[in-house]
Amino acid sequence: GAGVSQSPSNKVTEKGKDVELRCDPISGHTALYWYRQSLGQGLEFLIYFQGNSAPDKSGLPSDRFSAERTGGSVSTLTIQRTQQEDSAVYLCASSLVSGGNYNEQFFGPGTRLTVL
Amino acid sequence: RKEVEQDPGPFNVPEGATVAFNCTYSNSASQSFFWYRQDCRKEPKLLMSVYSSGNEDGRFTAQLNRASQYISLLIRDSKLSDSATYLCVVNLHSGGGADGLTFGKGTHLIIQP
Repeated sequence: GAGVSQSPSNKVTEKGKDVELRCDPISGHTALYWYRQSLGQGLEFLIYFQGNSAPDKSGLPSDRFSAERTGGSVSTLTIQRTQQEDSAVYLCASSLVSGGNYNEQFFGPGTRLTVL
Repeated sequence: RKEVEQDPGPFNVPEGATVAFNCTYSNSASQSFFWYRQDCRKEPKLLMSVYSSGNEDGRFTAQLNRASQYISLLIRDSKLSDSATYLCVVNLHSGGGADGLTFGKGTHLIIQP
């Protein structure tokens, strides 16, 4: 079946512009995660959606970052007034449930964001 | 102290050799543990979960030492295709709640012919 998809795959923008990144999780997966990964760094958790519960926004680095998930499926991560330090690969992952010892997260290919 | 620490490497290992690397975590309340693999410019993929009793999957063996708060990954008879970055993942909870999920920065492994 189809995996997690993200669009665009690459985005180059100018400092100060807003960008929207899209994630289509695997059908039926109730949990959705956004991470970012800077060059040579580990994954930094940003935000987490689980079913109809309020999202866990504890990882968002500033109020310029926001995300929503419509209809429990597609998610959009929005970065307003982009800064050069926002340049990174933004990864989305989904998982079937958010409980149990085995909870594999399936990652999308990521969106490589470059802020000039 | 960082929550999840890994030696970044790179580990340069000849093909066929055995290689092992560790990951330490700071929160003793952590409950679930995983190893993910990430190829260059690709997304991470689950390699294996780590169980308290240790577990093996083919050439890969994962061990958990709760007392010392470290996880290890052993790769036997290494293949060129094992070259990748190995991410240690620790969760405060027994499941996948992201509020407790922490990724290490990864250990870079290079298998040389």
